[in-house]
Amino acid sequence: GEDVEQSLFLSVREGDSSVINCTYTDSSSTYLYWYKQEPGAGLQLLTYIFSNMDMKQDQRLTVLLNKKDKHLSLRIADTQTGDSAIYFCAHDSGGGADGLTFGKGTHLIIQP
Amino acid sequence: NAGVTQTPKFRVLKTGQSMTLLCAQDMNHEYMYWYRQDPGMGLRLIHYSVGEGTTAKGEVPDGYNVSRLKKQNFLLGLESAAPSQTSVYFCASSYYNEQFFGPGTRLTVL
Repeated sequence: GEDVEQSLFLSVREGDSSVINCTYTDSSSTYLYWYKQEPGAGLQLLTYIFSNMDMKQDQRLTVLLNKKDKHLSLRIADTQTGDSAIYFCAHDSGGGADGLTFGKGTHLIIQP
Repeated sequence: NAGVTQTPKFRVLKTGQSMTLLCAQDMNHEYMYWYRQDPGMGLRLIHYSVGEGTTAKGEVPDGYNVSRLKKQNFLLGLESAAPSQTSVYFCASSYYNEQFFGPGTRLTVL
């Protein structure tokens, strides 16, 4: 299977919460990341979590990490039309310098 | 600060042609990376550098070469372009654990 797996699409109503899930296989990861990509743009770092934490909150964003199950989630509260984008889960390999491994991305679709 | 910039933004090549993509960063970062993004795929690491004068292979290095002669620049070369190299190329630089990405170069090989 893939090293990092995400659902391809998620549709939510404006104002609801969005929860994007990710599973990974590499247990040596030190940091896990969420990136946002808008159409035709580069990747924007949204947030990241250290592997010995289980939760991190940053304004409307909440990251939950279950290290035992190798499951990462991103919750976006009060989802707005501007949140429409592709969200990528990624992790390092524990070495810090040798790049990130990405999932295929989840398209977040906002319904009015 | 401009952050991470990439040149060019778009390019169309014929099979067998060569080209160089330039990445520049003004954040004094030690680490720099080249990724490619294909439709329906996440980013895949091509090559990376942990400092001036050093380079290393990533997940998909075949058909590409890189050079890091100056700390602020990381060049990606295609010696003989193939249609399979049609992709969007992203450069990134990092200090410690945060990677900052450039806007991308869209390359089409006919």
